[in-house]
Amino acid sequence: AQTVTQSQPEMSVQEAETVTLSCTYDTSESDYYLFWYKQPPSRQMILVIRQEAYKQQNATENRFSVNFQKAAKSFSLKISDSQLGDAAMYFCAYRSDMEYGNKLVFGAGTILRVKS
Amino acid sequence: EAQVTQNPRYLITVTGKKLTVTCSQNMNHEYMSWYRQDPGLGLRQIYYSMNVEVTDKGDVPEGYKVSRKEKRNFPLILESPSPNQTSLYFCASSENRAYSNQPQHFGDGTRLSIL
Repeated sequence: AQTVTQSQPEMSVQEAETVTLSCTYDTSESDYYLFWYKQPPSRQMILVIRQEAYKQQNATENRFSVNFQKAAKSFSLKISDSQLGDAAMYFCAYRSDMEYGNKLVFGAGTILRVKS
Repeated sequence: EAQVTQNPRYLITVTGKKLTVTCSQNMNHEYMSWYRQDPGLGLRQIYYSMNVEVTDKGDVPEGYKVSRKEKRNFPLILESPSPNQTSLYFCASSENRAYSNQPQHFGDGTRLSIL
């Protein structure tokens, strides 16, 4: 079974600075998808960015980018020019392209605090 | 507006009193799923449904039931709730597996407290 590990329970960043959240995963599959979700205090689950494993190019969405290292099974999220609204819990998630069902396997989450 | 609607958002109840959390989506999605979120564990899948009348167990199905009689609705049923089912619950939906890079749309969550 696949597992996702987020080794940083909490992170802090100064407003306007850059922060990187770590995520590693364990799988024997070659085709899969990776996601970062943001959960603000409102509890909503908001998709931040996604990456297809077959794509070598790292995904980017405005201030959010990933460093996808397939061989190392690493999928870190970089937030540039951090804003107060970025404060939230961030979850890394894995989705198999081979298993029946659309299950997302989540990490334990990283709380990001943004200081003004 | 495309959305997944869960009700109730909050519920405090007692052990053994049957309860149902409703979930409805307006995107005509075939796939629906329930997750529970617990501190230090992230979200874990309880049950999922690939289409009407097709449901399957996820990773933590014990103590839960689901049904999928209509495409838009996927209720989660706790026949005899126990305190270890106190958690934050999310319903999610997405297009079917052929579009597996498509993100799952989540409801706003239901906070259940079982006393």
